[in-house]
Amino acid sequence: QVQLQESGPGLVKPSETLSLTCTVYGGSIGTYYWSWIRQSPGKGLEWIGNIDYTGGTNYSPSLNSRLTISVDTSKNQVSLRLRFVTAADTAVYYCTRHTGGLLLRLDYWGQGTLVSVSS
Amino acid sequence: DIQMTQSPSAMSASVGDRFTITCRASQDIGDYLGWFQQKPGQVPKRLISAASSLQSGVPSRFSGSGSGTEFTLTISSLQPEDFGTYYCLQYKNYPWTFGQGTKVDIK
Repeated sequence: QVQLQESGPGLVKPSETLSLTCTVYGGSIGTYYWSWIRQSPGKGLEWIGNIDYTGGTNYSPSLNSRLTISVDTSKNQVSLRLRFVTAADTAVYYCTRHTGGLLLRLDYWGQGTLVSVSS
Repeated sequence: DIQMTQSPSAMSASVGDRFTITCRASQDIGDYLGWFQQKPGQVPKRLISAASSLQSGVPSRFSGSGSGTEFTLTISSLQPEDFGTYYCLQYKNYPWTFGQGTKVDIK
């Protein structure tokens, strides 16, 4: 059974870098897409960006200048780095696995990790 | 970015009611539309992709329809376990965008 587990600091200071790691258990990184989705407290879902198994990335334009998503196939991990964070970046961050194409199967989610941006 | 507008934003309905959520895209997205259900404290769960393709294991009372810019999610007979918030997602173009959500309460 595939499981995704996000890890990283729960508190980040403004202007610093938010770094999260998603470790994939029970499956490999290969042939899938990996999206990060976040949800601000009490708010809706926001797609942040994704990376595919070739290392190709797509980022939300609103975050593009601050965001890096990468994969480490040797560790079966997907990483997110968001620089120069503000309070607006406070959210639960989800790592997800999905397929491409019309029949999207966005079926695997991590449990989510709450990151608060505060001094 | 493609804007996704959901309606209603919230609704209370009774068990057994037929309930429809609408999602409108700001431009043609073909059938690249998914529906997700999120219960409080849980991760979202995919119900439908390709506008109308039901995920395996999702009850048949859920159905999706539409194409282009207007889409609907219908629950034919609302059950107590259907409470939660429903989101549409367009994945035609990057950045992917979600609707703002529809919160469903059971009366």
